Amino acid sequence: KAGVTQTPRYLIKTRGQQVTLSCSPISGHRSVSWYQQTPGQGLQFLFEYFSETQRNKGNFPGRFSGRQFSNSRSEMNVSTLELGDSALYLCASSLVGRQYGYTFGSGTRLTVV
Amino acid sequence: AQKITQTQPGMFVQEKEAVTLDCTYDTSDQSYGLFWYKQPSSGEMIFLIYQGSYDEQNATEGRYSLNFQKARKSANLVISASQLGDSAMYFCAANQNTGNQFYFGTGTSLTVIP
Repeated sequence: KAGVTQTPRYLIKTRGQQVTLSCSPISGHRSVSWYQQTPGQGLQFLFEYFSETQRNKGNFPGRFSGRQFSNSRSEMNVSTLELGDSALYLCASSLVGRQYGYTFGSGTRLTVV
Repeated sequence: AQKITQTQPGMFVQEKEAVTLDCTYDTSDQSYGLFWYKQPSSGEMIFLIYQGSYDEQNATEGRYSLNFQKARKSANLVISASQLGDSAMYFCAANQNTGNQFYFGTGTSLTVIP
């Protein structure tokens, strides 16, 4: 069975630009979450979507946004990129119910120059 | 909110030996889940094992077991018979019963020596 697919795998953007990252969850998974991983801050929760609705949001500025489509695919957008946004962005999908844990994708590595 | 503490930035273990990775957590929730994930250099987070706060028995998954001591708020991961492929970062994580937001520790880098 296909895993969580994140595209693109690598991305280089210029400060001030905006970027859109995509995540296709495992078939049947309706919950999609996004995390930012940096060497300094570690893994931080961005937001979670379930049935096209944002169910939970982390402590990130409004430049970070996301959405989920009816097929559970999700996108996250970062506007007005800053150097500090350089990170590995991980998407995870899960069945409802924490005992199933999350299945993560391989991430999108964003570099802002 | 929950706070996860992993005090071992790096660990070394001889191949075929067992190793314990430490994790303590701080939460006021009565119901929560504890998880361990492995992150190889490729970046993907791989789910290893789960322990519910009301589970009385320690969770086991193949060579992985979770040593759950609720009173001490610790959830240590034990890897038996280490293999070279176990070399990776290991993250302890927790979530609350009400949502799927994970709180992660800072990770432990495990190196298996042949």
